Parts: sequence; structure tokens; C-alpha cells
Amino acid sequence: GAVVSQHPSWVICKSGTSVKIECRSLDFQATTMFWYRQFPKQSLMLMATSNEGSKATYEQGVEKDKFLINHASLTLSTLTVTSAHPEDSSFYICSARDWTGSQNGYTFGSGTRLTVV
Amino acid sequence: SQQGEEDPQALSIQEGENATMNCSYKTSINNLQWYRQNSGRGLVHLILIRSNEREKHSGRLRVTLDTSKKSSSLLITASRAADTASYFCATVLTGGGNKLTFGTGTQLKVEL
Repeated sequence: GAVVSQHPSWVICKSGTSVKIECRSLDFQATTMFWYRQFPKQSLMLMATSNEGSKATYEQGVEKDKFLINHASLTLSTLTVTSAHPEDSSFYICSARDWTGSQNGYTFGSGTRLTVV
Repeated sequence: SQQGEEDPQALSIQEGENATMNCSYKTSINNLQWYRQNSGRGLVHLILIRSNEREKHSGRLRVTLDTSKKSSSLLITASRAADTASYFCATVLTGGGNKLTFGTGTQLKVEL
């Protein structure tokens, strides 16, 4: 089945630094990927839709200059949290949809736990 | 913003019992999906039901959809301790592109 690999699984960084998270579709091409943010014991909130070869579409309230998204190929999207602060600490998850699959569900990465100290 | 609300927020049952979770949503949908998330992990797709379907089965899972009431339910029969996880409904809105919007989730605990 479709597999999405997300890396790193966890990262600790100092306040003010930037962190890059990668999301790869391993066995299918994904023209669109999605980035979510999840706080403890809460649901997933869609941050942005990543489009291959074009600009990402951000949800209302998400700062595009802070959360930089690049989708340079059909199998890779990256999310860079710039000038991270403790309030950016969260669980970030990417997803993509394999249109060739029979299930028609979305495949999710295993998530990245970001802790900003 | 959250499209769906789920209840209960938390559910604790004994192994072997059935677990029922409900999801309500606000706007017209193309389909509704259920996902499972183990603590601190990614999500696993369980089942998808289209807007023109009323019921769907997959193994021990049964999903119903009532578009007139804008609600869905997920039934897990003969629950096992390994079913302990958070369960989320998610919808693809009519005219909403491919964006998947999640409900608030139900934390299920199955005790031995």
C-alpha cells in the first residue's frame, strides 16, 4: 500500500532556530500533500496544502512566512518552521493521497514531535 | 476550523464489548472517513463511506452515515485491548478540493 515517510520523528531545537521536516511519498507520486499540526489530546488542524511546483495554500491564521513549505518534486514536501519559539512546540503530521489506491483514503506520515526550548 | 464534533470525547470499555463513536459535521460532504491514531503516532485510515452510501463494513468495523442528520457512527465489535487509540472522523467537503478536515476525536480505552 501507499507509504508516506516523515523525518525526523522528533527534534529538539533552541528558540530562534529553524527546523525542517521532510515528507516523502515512497511508492507513489503526490502532486498534493497536506501539513497538519496537533496539540496534545487535540485533533489535527490543517495548516496548509502543499502543491508540487507551485505555492502552498495556507489555512486562515497560519503564518506563511513562519511555516515555509516547499514541494519541489512529486515525492517530497518540506515544512520549515522558521525562528521557532516554544509555542511552536507541537506534533506535525503530513499526509498525501494515492489516487491509484482502491481505499481512497489518505496516507499519513508518522509525525514529527517538535520541542522548542 | 473543526468540521466535525465527536462524542463521546472519551470511552472506556471492557475487552469483548462493543464501542460506538459518533461524529457530526456541519456542511455538505463528498465522503466521510474514519482514522485511528495510536498515542504519538501518525494516523491509519480505517474506512471511507461516500455520501450516497448509508452503511459500510470492514472486519469488526461498521460505519453508518446519515446525510440528513449530518452524522456518522463507527462501531467496533468485540473490542480488544489493541483497539485502544484515538479515533477521528474526517470529511472531504463538497467543493472543498481534497482537503481533509478532522473531527474532535474520541479516545477509546479497552481494558482487559
